[in-house]
Amino acid sequence: TQLLEQSPQFLSIQEGENLTVYCNSSSVFSSLQWYRQEPGEGPVLLVTVVTGGEVKKLKRLTFQFGDARKDSSLHITAAQPGDTGLYLCAGATQGGSEKLVFGKGTKLTVNP
Amino acid sequence: SAVISQKPSRDICQRGTSLTIQCQVDSQVTMMFWYRQQPGQSLTLIATANQGSEATYESGFVIDKFPISRPNLTFSTLTVSNMSPEDSSIYLCSVDRAGTMTLEETQYFGPGTRLLVL
Repeated sequence: TQLLEQSPQFLSIQEGENLTVYCNSSSVFSSLQWYRQEPGEGPVLLVTVVTGGEVKKLKRLTFQFGDARKDSSLHITAAQPGDTGLYLCAGATQGGSEKLVFGKGTKLTVNP
Repeated sequence: SAVISQKPSRDICQRGTSLTIQCQVDSQVTMMFWYRQQPGQSLTLIATANQGSEATYESGFVIDKFPISRPNLTFSTLTVSNMSPEDSSIYLCSVDRAGTMTLEETQYFGPGTRLLVL
């Protein structure tokens, strides 16, 4: 069974601070996706990373895929209250499977 | 991206009854998935809804409890049968767009159905 370990599970910070969320596995993934989910809504895709070592930026969010495609990180610069939500990483298995394996999520609260 | 709607958005049901959740997509898609998200938890895949054939269920989920229909490429239903309080959860459908983005497995999610079983 492929598992994705996310850390930290909970994170409460002040507006303006930086933070990093980690997603780790012993398995190799063909791609990895990051989602943000707000209460009462479905997960919204933020980014998909495919290539080992790839770095993608989305405004104040920076996503990195590990060289071995087993881990990923999400870094948020100068966090804002609007960043509050549940951040989920999900890995796509190799071999053409479209099924995703989800991490347990990181619940981020950014206080004004 | 894909526009996905779900009905109902939420419901409160009595133990022993069944609820059918609908998922509608704005365009034809090959793969549709049903997930469960229990309170405070991450997403667990229930099954893959295949058009024209039976759904493929994940370990721990069975067709008698979660029958799924997929009559065409834009629509699917999930029924939660003989409900108990343990079935209280958010149920989400998603679609896969891997075919349109080279090498990228991309799933888009509906808004979810919040179910409370009393």
